[in-house]
Amino acid sequence: AQSVTQPDIHITVSEGASLELRCNYSYGATPYLFWYVQSPGQGLQLLLKYFSGDTLVQGIKGFEAEFKRSQSSFNLRKPSVHWSDAAEYFCAVGYHNNNDMRFGAGTRLTVKP
Amino acid sequence: EAQVTQNPRYLITVTGKKLTVTCSQNMNHEYMSWYRQDPGLGLRQIYYSMNVEVTDKGDVPEGYKVSRKEKRNFPLILESPSPNQTSLYFCASSFTSLAGGTDTQYFGPGTRLTVL
Repeated sequence: AQSVTQPDIHITVSEGASLELRCNYSYGATPYLFWYVQSPGQGLQLLLKYFSGDTLVQGIKGFEAEFKRSQSSFNLRKPSVHWSDAAEYFCAVGYHNNNDMRFGAGTRLTVKP
Repeated sequence: EAQVTQNPRYLITVTGKKLTVTCSQNMNHEYMSWYRQDPGLGLRQIYYSMNVEVTDKGDVPEGYKVSRKEKRNFPLILESPSPNQTSLYFCASSFTSLAGGTDTQYFGPGTRLTVL
């Protein structure tokens, strides 16, 4: 069965430090990969997505993610975290001609001053 | 303004009392979907719709119904709600990608449902 794993439930980083949030998926076909962010009390907003082509994708708010097929991973990174980045982050996977979407359980990011 | 709206935003009800949560989008999206969000479980898809009169089950469809009579609306119906359906519900919509899968989804603000 298709699944998406975000191994880290909660991460705390200091403002200005770098960030990496992990995402692994299980499925053999080429997936569509997404990262969404959810601020408290809000819906989800797309940060970035990968469909094909360059495996390093740039998103909004200075985020980037790299698709590594050999590791079935799509980790999210940011070189310098800002206090406003505190939120919950969800990795999601969709599949070509398979219209269900699978979300990871989420990683909650806390930013220390 | 492009948006997905849901109503109501908050609802407290009792076991067995039928309810409907409405969802509407103004972006002419073909694809619409309902999710529930529970702590530690992330978002789980309930139902989705590829277009008018086309709906399909997601991961957790039991206890829910949907309909898609118009492109812009995708109501979620709980015929006989139970306490285990207490959750935060999100509606989302998107265009379908050129390759046929779903593209970027736009989410509504959420509906917090409590079933007593």
